Amino acid sequence: GENVEQHPSTLSVQEGDSAVIKCTYSDSASNYFPWYKQELGKRPQLIIDIRSNVGEKKDQRIAVTLNKTAKHFSLHITETQPEDSAVYFCAVRGSGYSTLTFGKGTMLLVSP
Amino acid sequence: NAGVTQTPKFQVLKTGQSMTLQCAQDMNHEYMSWYRQDPGMGLRLIHYSVGAGITDQGEVPNGYNVSRSTTEDFPLRLLSAAPSQTSVYFCASSYLGDSGNTIYFGEGSWLTVV
Repeated sequence: GENVEQHPSTLSVQEGDSAVIKCTYSDSASNYFPWYKQELGKRPQLIIDIRSNVGEKKDQRIAVTLNKTAKHFSLHITETQPEDSAVYFCAVRGSGYSTLTFGKGTMLLVSP
Repeated sequence: NAGVTQTPKFQVLKTGQSMTLQCAQDMNHEYMSWYRQDPGMGLRLIHYSVGAGITDQGEVPNGYNVSRSTTEDFPLRLLSAAPSQTSVYFCASSYLGDSGNTIYFGEGSWLTVV
């Protein structure tokens, strides 16, 4: 089955800095790559996603880049704010139906 | 439009007891799934369904049963609870068809087995 590796497991930055989280995957047929943000005690919420026919997507301060050849994709958050502090999960949808395989998460802490 | 609704939100079970976590969605989604979330392990797929009458196993199916008699409901049954099943459980749903449809999560069910 699909194997998703996510790094780093924890990331501490100062407010205003940029943060980058990276994920690698194993199935070259994978075609959908969402990122979820989960605040403490809450459900995961989709923040951005990218499909396999696109190399980069931006939404205000967040962006996702995809390198299909190398089988990795990254989440970029610019001008971080304390409210960005949360656990971020990458996920991969492989071939077949809508099953997602998740990375193990990155705890992002943004200090004022 | 309630989205994905899970009950109960919190539950404490004794080892060996059985229980059912309920999940319902009102978005007419074909796909429904159950994940468990443990510290440092991310979200792991337990079972999923692509339509009424169709279910399949995910990564960690042992100790759990599911059924899909209607499009709206996808209950998860713990047959004989074990402490290793202490976890947070999330139900999720989405449309099928086009690749990459947004998956919507329920609010989660916190289960403790003592």
